[in-house]
This record gives sequence, C-alpha cells and structure tokens, in this order.
Amino acid sequence: EVQLVESGGGLVQPGGSLRLSCAASGFTFSSSAMNWVRQAPGRGLDWVSGITGSGGGTRYADPVSGRFTISRDNSRNTVYLQMNSLRTEDTAVYYCAKAKGAMSTAGTRYLDNWGQGTLVTVSS
Amino acid sequence: DIQMTQSPSSLSASVGDRVTITCRASQGISNYLAWYQQKPGEVPKLLIYAASTLQSGVPSRFSGSGSGTEFTLTINSLQPEDFATYYCQNYYSAPFTFGPGTKVDIK
Repeated sequence: EVQLVESGGGLVQPGGSLRLSCAASGFTFSSSAMNWVRQAPGRGLDWVSGITGSGGGTRYADPVSGRFTISRDNSRNTVYLQMNSLRTEDTAVYYCAKAKGAMSTAGTRYLDNWGQGTLVTVSS
Repeated sequence: DIQMTQSPSSLSASVGDRVTITCRASQGISNYLAWYQQKPGEVPKLLIYAASTLQSGVPSRFSGSGSGTEFTLTINSLQPEDFATYYCQNYYSAPFTFGPGTKVDIK
C-alpha cells in the first residue's frame, strides 16, 4: 500500500522559511516523479512543484519560482520542499503527491496517490 | 503557461441525475488530462486519467471524454457519495495546472 506522510508545517512569519518533508513507502520511490500541491483555506488546488525520479529535473509554478526548492533523497524515500521568503498568500495545506511514473513521460505524470497534507500558516 | 477553466463553477443536482462538467485548456493538451474528486475535509482522489481512462476502483458511473482543448466529466445516476468538488488537471506540460473546480451539491 502506498503511503505518503508529510511533516514540517506550522506557523511562520512573513519572510521566514520552512522545510516540508514527505516520507514515502509502498512503491519503488526512485521510479516516480513527486509533486507538491497546495490548497489555500476554502480554495482550489494549486500545483506547486515537481521533481523527476532521479532528482535531476525540477519544475515550479510561477508564484513560487525562485523562493521554493524541491529536492529528494532516494536513499531515504523522502521528498522535500524548502520554502523561503514566505508570504501570507503561501498559507495553505501542502500535499505531497506521487506521479504514476516518470516526469519525462507525459503519459505518467498524473497524480495517483496523495498524502494527508500539512498546514503552513504564514502570519505575523 | 496553460490555463484551465471549468464550467459550471457549481451545480445542484439530485440523486439519480446525470451530471456533466466541462474543462477547457487554453491550448491543446492532447489527452493529458486528469480528473480528481475532493470531498470536504478529505484528500483529493484520482478518478480519471488520459481524459477517459477510469482509475482502478472508481465506479463505472463516472466517465470522461475529450481531447485537445475541451473535455467533459460525466456522472451517470448521481449517488449521495458523489457530492464533492471536481478538478481537472493538465499534465501535458509544466506547470501542471488545475482547473478552479466544480462543486456538486444536493438540490
């Protein structure tokens, strides 16, 4: 059974930093691209970032590009999201989501498993 | 970047109704389109990928169609557990944008 468990959320002041982690199990971690998707309170889903199975390729949504960094440690089956220069509009539940397969293959980029999410609140 | 739109933004329906939701992409995405269902307080769940392929375990009353820029999600004979918000997502090219969602509630 696939399991994705996020951690690292919390309250941070504007301009601060936070690092989210997502521990994965139940599948061949290095074979799947991993993504972060966020959802502000009462709002829709926003794709934030994705990383290839090897970690050699990354993509970002425009609102977070230059501030957030996605990475992964395949020896620990964990993906990370380093969030710097946080803004109030970054307040959201952050979900870790597994792609069906490789990011390089368009047909397998859809998100077939999601974690429970971790809440990030940016406020003074 | 590819923009995704959905219509309607919300709808009210009764158990047993047939419901259709439309998703449009600002440029062609072939069939690289997924649909997700999210119930209040729950995690999003994959329903359909490749525009029309049902994810394992999803009831056959759900179906998807379309290609290029226009897609539809149809729910035949709406059930009580189907009242939720539905999102489409482009996975043709990054950023892998979601539509704004369509909320289906009880009439």
